[in-house]
Amino acid sequence: NAGVTQTPKFQVLKTGQSMTLQCAQDMNHEYMSWYRQDPGMGLRLIHYSVGAGITDQGEVPNGYNVSRSTTEDFPLRLLSAAPSQTSVYFCASSRTGPGAEAFFGQGTRLTVV
Amino acid sequence: GQQLNQSPQSMFIQEGEDVSMNCTSSSIFNTWLWYKQDPGEGPVLLIALYKAGELTSNGRLTAQFGITRKDSFLNISASIPSDVGIYFCAGGTSYGKLTFGQGTILTVHP
Repeated sequence: NAGVTQTPKFQVLKTGQSMTLQCAQDMNHEYMSWYRQDPGMGLRLIHYSVGAGITDQGEVPNGYNVSRSTTEDFPLRLLSAAPSQTSVYFCASSRTGPGAEAFFGQGTRLTVV
Repeated sequence: GQQLNQSPQSMFIQEGEDVSMNCTSSSIFNTWLWYKQDPGEGPVLLIALYKAGELTSNGRLTAQFGITRKDSFLNISASIPSDVGIYFCAGGTSYGKLTFGQGTILTVHP
């Protein structure tokens, strides 16, 4: 079972470059989300989606865009990378409704120089 | 936004000792989840709690959903070296949105 798959696992960008972090899930979950993890701050929600065609902002959305054209895929786009976006990014998926346990990918470690 | 206060921030214990950590919030959650993260990996779900007052066990792990729906605790009994990692609590809403605590770093000395 693949679960949640994120690519790439590691990435180095120069300031100002753009890129897309990929996320795919094969559990037919309605809900998908992106988090960033910084030391001592836990995981913070960037954007989320409750279904294909529906996205919304989380706690720290600035500098990121998302779209949800299919149930399976939820890419995260960095428009113009900044050093403050150096972090570990996690994608998660879950069913909606009560008891919606989130399942996480293995993460993308991004460094912006 | 909603915030979860997780404590302690770190723990250094001897193998065989019991561990307790907790999360409190100013907001009510419908679900409380506890995750463990190993280095270089994504968080993995340990226990999910759905009802206020619920007490759930998973092997050596026991977690409870507070009566007020604003807190939860996780206990680990008879710790072993592979319990090392970062433990996160997360509060969930009805549509799946999660708010995470800052994490508890657990170190177990053999």
